[in-house]
Amino acid sequence: AQSVTQLGSHVSVSEGALVLLRCNYSSSVPPYLFWYVQYPNQGLQLLLKYTSAATLVKGINGFEAEFKKSETSFHLTKPSAHMSDAAEYFCAVSDRDTGKLIFGQGTTLQVKP
Amino acid sequence: NAGVMQNPRHLVRRRGQEARLRCSPMKGHSHVYWYRQLPEEGLKFMVYLQKENIIDESGMPKERFSAEFPKEGPSILRIQQVVRGDSAAYFCASSPLGKGNTEAFFGQGTRLTVV
Repeated sequence: AQSVTQLGSHVSVSEGALVLLRCNYSSSVPPYLFWYVQYPNQGLQLLLKYTSAATLVKGINGFEAEFKKSETSFHLTKPSAHMSDAAEYFCAVSDRDTGKLIFGQGTTLQVKP
Repeated sequence: NAGVMQNPRHLVRRRGQEARLRCSPMKGHSHVYWYRQLPEEGLKFMVYLQKENIIDESGMPKERFSAEFPKEGPSILRIQQVVRGDSAAYFCASSPLGKGNTEAFFGQGTRLTVV
């Protein structure tokens, strides 16, 4: 069975500071991994995905994530936080055959001025 | 190209009533997924449908919940005899291929409140 664990349900950073949101996965097969962002009362928007090509994946809004097989991790980073980055972030692994997503619990990012 | 459309955005039902949630996938997408987001919890997979077929319903509660995706029209998630615990945000996502490496596009959700 596949699973995802997001470490830290709430992360607070200052505007301009580094953003680091942690995600570890468990999968018996090479995983496909995703990061989604959810703004209040909205649906989910894809930030980036890893599908076994380059291990460093660049996404929208300046975010990137690095797939590390040895650490079973797929942490999300952004060099400099903006106020507009405040949202909830979900890491997910997908079933290779069906595309259904198994989500982590989510991390709420707060950005302080 | 319109995105995934869900309606209604907000739905209030009294205990014991039925709730019908609709999802129109993006144009050209024949794969639909439903997820539920309970308060203070992450999103949980409920069901995966392809046109006229249920492919995976492993996340659906055994009773009162059903889903369909007819040849014509939107996908429907139906909850019979709603209870307070059904209050949640229900999200639909669609995909062109239904494969693990393909992006799924999400609707804005239907927020169900049971009173």
